[in-house]
Amino acid sequence: SQELEQSPQSLIVQEGKNLTINCTSSKTLYGLYWYKQKYGEGLIFLMMLQKGGEEKSHEKITAKLDEKKQQSSLHITASQPSHAGIYLCGAAAGNTGKLIFGQGTTLQVKP
Amino acid sequence: DAGITQSPRHKVTETGTPVTLRCHQTENHRYMYWYRQDPGHGLRLIHYSYGVKDTDKGEVSDGYSVSRSKTEDFLLTLESATSSQTSVYFCAISPRGQSNQPQHFGDGTRLSIL
Repeated sequence: SQELEQSPQSLIVQEGKNLTINCTSSKTLYGLYWYKQKYGEGLIFLMMLQKGGEEKSHEKITAKLDEKKQQSSLHITASQPSHAGIYLCGAAAGNTGKLIFGQGTTLQVKP
Repeated sequence: DAGITQSPRHKVTETGTPVTLRCHQTENHRYMYWYRQDPGHGLRLIHYSYGVKDTDKGEVSDGYSVSRSKTEDFLLTLESATSSQTSVYFCAISPRGQSNQPQHFGDGTRLSIL
């Protein structure tokens, strides 16, 4: 079965610094999703990547899917306290829309 | 925001009691999913539904049952709750269950079984 490994598991950065979170799959990725979760709340959809080499940006967050389609990275530029939370990557598993998730990366941004 | 409501938001109950969690959507989406979230495990799929009365198991379905009698409601039942089922439960929806469509999530139900 497919597994997703996120790294690092947790991250503390100073406000204004850049950071990267990685998501590595044990199998080829067909549809990779990034979500953000604040404590006690649900998951907020950030971005979806499908094609190898694809890159998408939303405000100061950029996500990429590598050419071989087994890894994705999420990059935050000039981090802000509002970026704090748990970031999860999810991958499509089969054709019924089922997702498998990485274990999450907890991000703290110090003012 | 996707119209997804989970109820209750918090529940504390005792081992051996039945528990039902409800997910209600106003988007008329065909696919609905139940996940549980535990530290170190991310989210894991319990059951999902691809239409009224059409359901299937996920990776951690033991001890859980589901029902979907209407498009808008998806119920998750723990017939006899155990402490290992203490978790945060999330419902998600998707219009057609395809890999090119993101799922949208409810705010979760925090369930504690003592």
